[in-house]
Parts: sequence; C-alpha cells; structure tokens
Amino acid sequence: DGGITQSPKYLFRKEGQNVTLSCEQNLNHDAMYWYRQDPGQGLRLIYYSQIVNDFQKGDIAEGYSVSREKKESFPLTVTSAQKNPTAFYLCASSTLTGTDTQYFGPGTRLTVL
Amino acid sequence: GQNIDQPTEMTATEGAIVQINCTYQTSGFNGLFWYQQHAGEAPTFLSYNVLDGLEEKGRFSSFLSRSKGYSYLLLKELQMKDSASYLCVSLDSNYQLIWGAGTKLIIKP
Repeated sequence: DGGITQSPKYLFRKEGQNVTLSCEQNLNHDAMYWYRQDPGQGLRLIYYSQIVNDFQKGDIAEGYSVSREKKESFPLTVTSAQKNPTAFYLCASSTLTGTDTQYFGPGTRLTVL
Repeated sequence: GQNIDQPTEMTATEGAIVQINCTYQTSGFNGLFWYQQHAGEAPTFLSYNVLDGLEEKGRFSSFLSRSKGYSYLLLKELQMKDSASYLCVSLDSNYQLIWGAGTKLIIKP
C-alpha cells in the first residue's frame, strides 16, 4: 500500500534535548513538507523540499532542521533552540504540479517535559 | 497580509445539512482546498476548487466565488462520523498553502 508513515505517534523528551521525527513516503512524490499544528490554529509550514538534497524554510523554521538525502525520506529535527516545541507535527507529500493535493502522514505528537 | 476566516465551531443535527463558510485574502490565488481532520489525526483531502461554481462529490459539495474571495463546504445527510474539524486552505500565487484554523463541527443525535 502506498502512503506516508510517521513514527512514533507519541514522543516525550526532556527540555534541552534534540529530537528527530521520521517521515517516509512510498508514493514517489517529489515534494515533502513539515507542518506544526497547535490547538485551535491552522497548520504552519516549517520546511519543505521539492528535490533531493534541497529544502526551503517555511514560515516557522527557527529551531528546526531537516535533511533530504533520499526521495522517500524527510526527517525533522527539533532542536533545543526551539522555544516551544510541544505540538502536533505533520508530514505531507505531493507531486510538483503546484495544484496537486498534499497527502498527510498520521502525525507525531511531541511533548517536551 | 494573507488571511483565511472560518467559524470556530458549528453544531448540527444528524441527518441535517450544514454549510461551513470560508473567506480568504491571499497574495494571488491558485485554488482552494477543503480538508477534514478528526481529533488527533492528520487532515484528509475533501475537495479542490479553482473555477467558480459548485463541485459535488457524494454527500459533500464545495462552492467557490473568486470575485468574492468566498467558499463554502456543504455537508448533507449528516452522520455522527462527520464530527470533525474542516479546514479551508487557499493556494497562493507561489503555490504555497495558507491554512485556516478550522471549523469544529459537532453533530448531535
């Protein structure tokens, strides 16, 4: 079955620790995205990538880093510099037609204690 | 600035019809999406409109008026499983998605 996977579903970390969230897709999509969602708010774009070994900052990239070494994988690292990291993190992918639908993984809920 | 406005919460009765409105102001426009998001889950695609008019897809329909910067999502024959948040999303001139905060729809028996 084609799709996007994110793991784990729930993640707990101590303040000051870096943490990496995984995102894998087997849809052969060129573009991948990371979003953050806070209660009562819309999705906010952290980073996106349209091609391997290239990525662009979104609206709220500070305190986050990404890599795109393979087309299928787009991991997100939440660094200790991110002031308020507790949130629901969503990964998505799409083709590069611009108007194409983004398909989402199940999300990772990160709680920093 | 870019902005999406939609009601925070709506309540409707099982079996009834509900219309969720959305107005948008974005830098350019390349279409409007509606997504459904159940609590704690990822958004799932419902519809995409780029031309004016109504697009019907089963119990769900989506309408767009580009001149008014307005869209609505119409849900018919409401079922309890339709209880979710409905996200209005505009695609701007740079093909970036601008997400609304979502409308939480509560369905009562």
